[in-house]
Amino acid sequence: NAGVMQNPRHLVRRRGQEARLRCSPMKGHSHVYWYRQLPEEGLKFMVYLQKENIIDESGMPKERFSAEFPKEGPSILRIQQVVRGDSAAYFCASSVVTGTYNEQFFGPGTRLTVL
Amino acid sequence: GQSLEQPSEVTAVEGAIVQINCTYQTSGFYGLSWYQQHDGGAPTFLSYNALDGLEETGRFSSFLSRSDSYGYLLLQELQMKDSASYFCAVRDDKIIFGKGTRLHILP
Repeated sequence: NAGVMQNPRHLVRRRGQEARLRCSPMKGHSHVYWYRQLPEEGLKFMVYLQKENIIDESGMPKERFSAEFPKEGPSILRIQQVVRGDSAAYFCASSVVTGTYNEQFFGPGTRLTVL
Repeated sequence: GQSLEQPSEVTAVEGAIVQINCTYQTSGFYGLSWYQQHDGGAPTFLSYNALDGLEETGRFSSFLSRSDSYGYLLLQELQMKDSASYFCAVRDDKIIFGKGTRLHILP
């Protein structure tokens, strides 16, 4: 009964390169959330997806960032032309929405470092 | 705007009781959650309150007052392993996290 999986755990990119972060939700979960966390900060919501559908992307920068959750395969958060300010921990969470309650299960995170 | 306020740091002694407060201002509200995060680790779910009152789970309890837009997490019989950051989170149409309270435990 695997939990939420994210890879890679650590990613180093040079400015201008692309970063691809992957998230496989828990079995049976069809809702995926991406968060960004800067050191000593809380989690900042970025995007909420269901299979093949972006539900809420209000927390995601309009440029350079995109996310998808295809019918098959993991959810992908893509950051194009990375800049130093993109360095952060990116967490993915998944849930089964039940009424108004949805406990989120977090993956171990991907720590992105932009040189 | 939407905001959650919680203390940035709290210090307590091993074996004691500590309370971490959270006040919130959000456009909508379905419930208040608490998460624990150890350094370098992932957040883990602790509790959820949708209704007023106290929810107890072992050494941890969580309280909510919707009329006061206020909640707290109570940790009893503190252990060194409880040293971590604790985040309150409000579920609106998405989940909004506070900035976290770092709990330091002294032996």
